[in-house]
Amino acid sequence: AQTVTQSQPEMSVQEAETVTLSCTYDTSESDYYLFWYKQPPSRQMILVIRQEAYKQQNATENRFSVNFQKAAKSFSLKISDSQLGDAAMYFCAYRSASYGGSQGNLIFGKGTKLSVKP
Amino acid sequence: ETGVTQTPRHLVMGMTNKKSLKCEQHLGHNAMYWYKQSAKKPLELMFVYNFKEQTENNSVPSRFSPECPNSSHLFLHLHTLQPEDSALYLCASSGGTGKKNSPLHFGNGTRLTVT
Repeated sequence: AQTVTQSQPEMSVQEAETVTLSCTYDTSESDYYLFWYKQPPSRQMILVIRQEAYKQQNATENRFSVNFQKAAKSFSLKISDSQLGDAAMYFCAYRSASYGGSQGNLIFGKGTKLSVKP
Repeated sequence: ETGVTQTPRHLVMGMTNKKSLKCEQHLGHNAMYWYKQSAKKPLELMFVYNFKEQTENNSVPSRFSPECPNSSHLFLHLHTLQPEDSALYLCASSGGTGKKNSPLHFGNGTRLTVT
């Protein structure tokens, strides 16, 4: 069974600085998708960025980028020029791409609470 | 407008009550999901519906009963719950369970407290 581990329960960053959130996962599959979701106090889970395992190029969305290391099974999220609105819980998630894989099941880590200091 | 709307936002119910959670999506998606989010635990998938058909029941107790009348609506009927069922219940939708790269879009959740 696949697992997702986020080893940092809490992180803090100064406004305008850069922070990296860690995520590792365990799988025997070669094809899968990885996601970072953000959950602010409003409680809605918002997709931040996604990565296809077959793509070597790291995904980037504006100030958000990932460092995807397939061999190491690592998928960290880098937030550049941090803003107060980035404060939230961040969840790393895995999804199998195989036809026989669990239908739509996103496997989540426990999350990292990010605080942004003004 | 989030695209996925959940009601109510908050619900307090006794252990003998019967209540229902509602989810509606306006994204034209074909798959809908119920997740349970408890403190200090990863999100847990409960049920998956694809084109109105239940495709996954993740060993959820029978006191939780899902209903999906069409691809846009999903309900979670609750009865004789236990205090440990108190949690945030999140609904999500996606293009379809066969579209593995289709991200899930979540609602704001229903905060359930069982007294």
